[in-house]
Amino acid sequence: SQQGEEDPQALSIQEGENATMNCSYKTSINNLQWYRQNSGRGLVHLILIRSNEREKHSGRLRVTLDTSKKSSSLLITASRAADTASYFCATDGGSNYKLTFGKGTLLTVNP
Amino acid sequence: NAGVMQNPRHLVRRRGQEARLRCSPMKGHSHVYWYRQLPEEGLKFMVYLQKENIIDESGMPKERFSAEFPKEGPSILRIQQVVRGDSAAYFCASSPREGGGHEQFFGPGTRLTVL
Repeated sequence: SQQGEEDPQALSIQEGENATMNCSYKTSINNLQWYRQNSGRGLVHLILIRSNEREKHSGRLRVTLDTSKKSSSLLITASRAADTASYFCATDGGSNYKLTFGKGTLLTVNP
Repeated sequence: NAGVMQNPRHLVRRRGQEARLRCSPMKGHSHVYWYRQLPEEGLKFMVYLQKENIIDESGMPKERFSAEFPKEGPSILRIQQVVRGDSAAYFCASSPREGGGHEQFFGPGTRLTVL
């Protein structure tokens, strides 16, 4: 299977709740990135975590990386309706530039 | 500082026609990447270019597809003799240096529909 498989495929929560999305990959990486895509729009870069980092924060986002398990998680705290989007993880597979994306997690935050 | 620009945003072509997709990277960025996204799928890498050079085109079909990034002007992704299977969203990204350790900034995409 491909790099950057997100789990779950779809997640529906209420505003104010936390949302956790997971990503698994298969080969070694230099870094892992998370992107958001609103329906029919381009990708917005959220956060990059390097292979030697275990956790990174940015606002309401928290990303963890476990290279021994080849997995990452994205936590969005205190979710808002505006967070409704598809979330993708992207790995570089050690190439330094060739990003591989999974199919994404569709997050729906209900007001 | 304007972001990555792509045009057109939507392109409709009939089978057998040519499609030309344009991408202007962010100011100061000299590395351009093209990705294709099929419906309900993640993005798939197609090609990586620097000014006047194709660095890696391993994700681009050998037939009908070509890409360039001239010294002056935008990067162009060209699809000749389009077929229905080419219908997809094509995204361009740019980075100031080789993407490793640096985020790739994506444009809004060109949605190609082949009738």
